[in-house]
Amino acid sequence: GAGVSQSPRYKVAKRGQDVALRCDPISGHVSLFWYQQALGQGPEFLTYFQNEAQLDKSGLPSDRFFAERPEGSVSTLKIQRTQQEDSAVYLCASSLASGNYNEQFFGPGTRLTVL
Amino acid sequence: KNEVEQSPQNLTAQEGEFITINCSYSVGISALHWLQQHPGGGIVSLFMLSSGKKKHGRLIATINIQEKHSSLHITASHPRDSAVYICAVRTGNQFYFGTGTSLTVIP
Repeated sequence: GAGVSQSPRYKVAKRGQDVALRCDPISGHVSLFWYQQALGQGPEFLTYFQNEAQLDKSGLPSDRFFAERPEGSVSTLKIQRTQQEDSAVYLCASSLASGNYNEQFFGPGTRLTVL
Repeated sequence: KNEVEQSPQNLTAQEGEFITINCSYSVGISALHWLQQHPGGGIVSLFMLSSGKKKHGRLIATINIQEKHSSLHITASHPRDSAVYICAVRTGNQFYFGTGTSLTVIP
């Protein structure tokens, strides 16, 4: 498996529950992005890592959302006290380098449903 | 907020038709991406453009930086081209995405 992988693929949570979504980028990829895609909408930027540094978190919708990439490879997106409006597909993408002209490779996404 | 607008939203074509999907954006960009998303969510990057034109097989992408506009063309369309096509622009570390064009190619 040389692509970006995400787990779990599907997650159902009760409102108020905490969830953790995992992203395994392509080995050696420096840049990692998280996106949120609501049903019928295009993805929306959440946050960006360059190695272990979180350089941009301006897209995180509230302080209930937290992302980390402590060793510069695997990343976890954590959502605390989930709300129904958090229901979406969460996409992770990685690219080899940090420059503007690098192709992004997307994972299959995690579909989160909050009941 | 509509930094990226795509048209049309939905498109149905007969097999073999020439297809054009348009993307306009309102922010300064360093690169524009065309993505393909199949049912089930998998996204594949088709093109990354900062100027001019790129071609890959039956797909052609063009960008006009001055007009802040890009087009994706599909020649000799085929049912397997049926998917959602998304335009995304990069500005700094952020990406802005269009809502996608849902293409259905009928045999």
